[in-house]
Amino acid sequence: ETGVTQTPRHLVMGMTNKKSLKCEQHLGHNAMYWYKQSAKKPLELMFVYSLEERVENNSVPSRFSPECPNSSHLFLHLHTLQPEDSALYLCASSQDWSSATDTQYFGPGTRLTVL
Amino acid sequence: AQKITQTQPGMFVQEKEAVTLDCTYDTSDQSYGLFWYKQPSSGEMIFLIYQGSYDEQNATEGRYSLNFQKARKSANLVISASQLGDSAMYFCAIFQGDAGGTSYGKLTFGQGTILTVHP
Repeated sequence: ETGVTQTPRHLVMGMTNKKSLKCEQHLGHNAMYWYKQSAKKPLELMFVYSLEERVENNSVPSRFSPECPNSSHLFLHLHTLQPEDSALYLCASSQDWSSATDTQYFGPGTRLTVL
Repeated sequence: AQKITQTQPGMFVQEKEAVTLDCTYDTSDQSYGLFWYKQPSSGEMIFLIYQGSYDEQNATEGRYSLNFQKARKSANLVISASQLGDSAMYFCAIFQGDAGGTSYGKLTFGQGTILTVHP
């Protein structure tokens, strides 16, 4: 495996379900990110982790709960979501979250539908 | 606050011709990075090209080049010799590192431009 991988690629869940999105990076990077991409809206940064420590929570509702057990893995735990949470969730990684020359590399995304 | 504006919701180009996708940005910081990403219908965001605010030369990566005009705050993407596989959504983004006491760097994306390449 190379680059950034995400599973599952597609997820349909009810409002009362609990599910988790998984991201894994094979690039040796120190920072990982969750983004949300809704229809007709720019990408929204949700969370940033650097060396397994959360450095940003961009006013995200508590029904989204991130977890970063090590620098290669990032999870997004979902519970009691709303239909408006349906979106493409993208994971990214980079070498140094604080550098203006830092390039973020993205995974293929998980397309989430909340019924 | 940073802002990216992509004024072209959609663009059409004939195969093998060149196309320019517009991007203007607004930032008060002196040090920043500009990025272009391609997003095919599959959803993955693919990094194309990077331009640093202090770079004097325009960035080039294969068929992609960035027309960087710092005084006008524009960073247009030029794709030469378009191919059918270039049909996708293209996003311009600006990265501003730690500044003004913020504790993290942030990548801000524009709304995107859908490029369609005709055979």
